Amino acid sequence: DADVTQTPRNRITKTGKRIMLECSQTKGHDRMYWYRQDPGLGLRLIYYSFDVKDINKGEISDGYSVSRQAQAKFSLSLESAIPNQTALYFCATEDRVSETQYFGPGTRLLVL
Amino acid sequence: GNSVTQMEGPVTLSEEAFLTINCTYTATGYPSLFWYVQYPGEGLQLLLKATKADDKGSNKGFEATYRKETTSFHLEKGSVQVSDSAVYFCALSNSGAGSYQLTFGKGTKLSVIP
Repeated sequence: DADVTQTPRNRITKTGKRIMLECSQTKGHDRMYWYRQDPGLGLRLIYYSFDVKDINKGEISDGYSVSRQAQAKFSLSLESAIPNQTALYFCATEDRVSETQYFGPGTRLLVL
Repeated sequence: GNSVTQMEGPVTLSEEAFLTINCTYTATGYPSLFWYVQYPGEGLQLLLKATKADDKGSNKGFEATYRKETTSFHLEKGSVQVSDSAVYFCALSNSGAGSYQLTFGKGTKLSVIP
């Protein structure tokens, strides 16, 4: 089984809808991250969490919110989706000792 | 702040050609440096890393040396294969300066043709 899983893998939604992307991990890491990937822009950090009670905004948090339900679960919500949130979204965990991040397979989101 | 600049792609090479993907960084102190690879349809995975000046990271025939004097971490491979076709990301982490997240370059897409 994959160490970092994301659901759904693909999602199509309409402008104004609220959606949630979910991430689960079995690596036992405290640190978790949400990124979005756009062509030609690389990965940009949306939110990150160092433990269940610690949530931090990243570079591009506007229009997004997160919830850390447990050490293993970190969800990303788009409160009112807009077309420029169409992107590939990645969740990642981090081994704080090696500073290595482990990525999920991604969720491809299309906002119409 | 921290930043990473890597060469623009796409890069197209013939099998067995030599590969160099340039990466330079801006950061205070002594960041850790990484190369991540993204194969088609997958998430990123760590390819190699170096945590201090003059360290050489290596994996799967790829190498990169942490050069503090030139603030560079160029990725090289002596003989690429079709299976190396992917997007390569240079990244840095600067926890010593209080910045705990990875800063990524924009990625370089490599295509290797038989």
